[in-house]
Amino acid sequence: DQQVKQNSPSLSVQEGRISILNCDYTNSMFDYFLWYKKYPAEGPTFLISISSIKDKNEDGRFTVFLNKSAKHLSLHIVPSQPGDSAVYFCAVLNQGGKLIFGQGTELSVKP
Amino acid sequence: DAGVIQSPRHEVTEMGQEVTLRCKPISGHNSLFWYRQTMMRGLELLIYFNNNVPIDDSGMPEDRFSAKMPNASFSTLKIQPSEPRDSAVYFCASSQPAGQGWNTDTQYFGPGTRLTVL
Repeated sequence: DQQVKQNSPSLSVQEGRISILNCDYTNSMFDYFLWYKKYPAEGPTFLISISSIKDKNEDGRFTVFLNKSAKHLSLHIVPSQPGDSAVYFCAVLNQGGKLIFGQGTELSVKP
Repeated sequence: DAGVIQSPRHEVTEMGQEVTLRCKPISGHNSLFWYRQTMMRGLELLIYFNNNVPIDDSGMPEDRFSAKMPNASFSTLKIQPSEPRDSAVYFCASSQPAGQGWNTDTQYFGPGTRLTVL
């Protein structure tokens, strides 16, 4: 059973618009959440994270929102750029200190 | 630093053959992770080492999979015998834990090995 779910395998957005990537998790005990970005033929790279004591964390064009009651987090990219086209993985840190990843969402930003 | 190095980048083999994937972590990192990426399940942690010692191998799918870390600069993931369902991209990552907890912001991934088992 998937503890971390990204229900949209792909997303297409126009350059300059907002990209919203969503992620749901099952365990309310999770308290640290991350987003990774992956380009083709490369490994994932860390993008942004959020602790459960916050509901928002911002880093430039990237903002992660956490809704603990809904067990949902999202990544907003504003404005979207063609170079943002990649696969985005959300991940949670479990109590054992392991990262659990979602299936990924492929973002395509069209010029 | 060259980052995490994995070899080979691509491997095509026939069912029943032994496959060995290799990883060189970033110098100075003392934690190493092996992940597998598939379309259905995304990125799954297979095993991780801390100071060359396997800490958690609960993600290893079955006995056909084994991993070793003989020293701080080298690890292998072996599949014997390989099966078509093992086809996936295998990533190695390394990190330097900060303090008492895991600072997972700093897991650095290699480029992966794409394995195809025919």
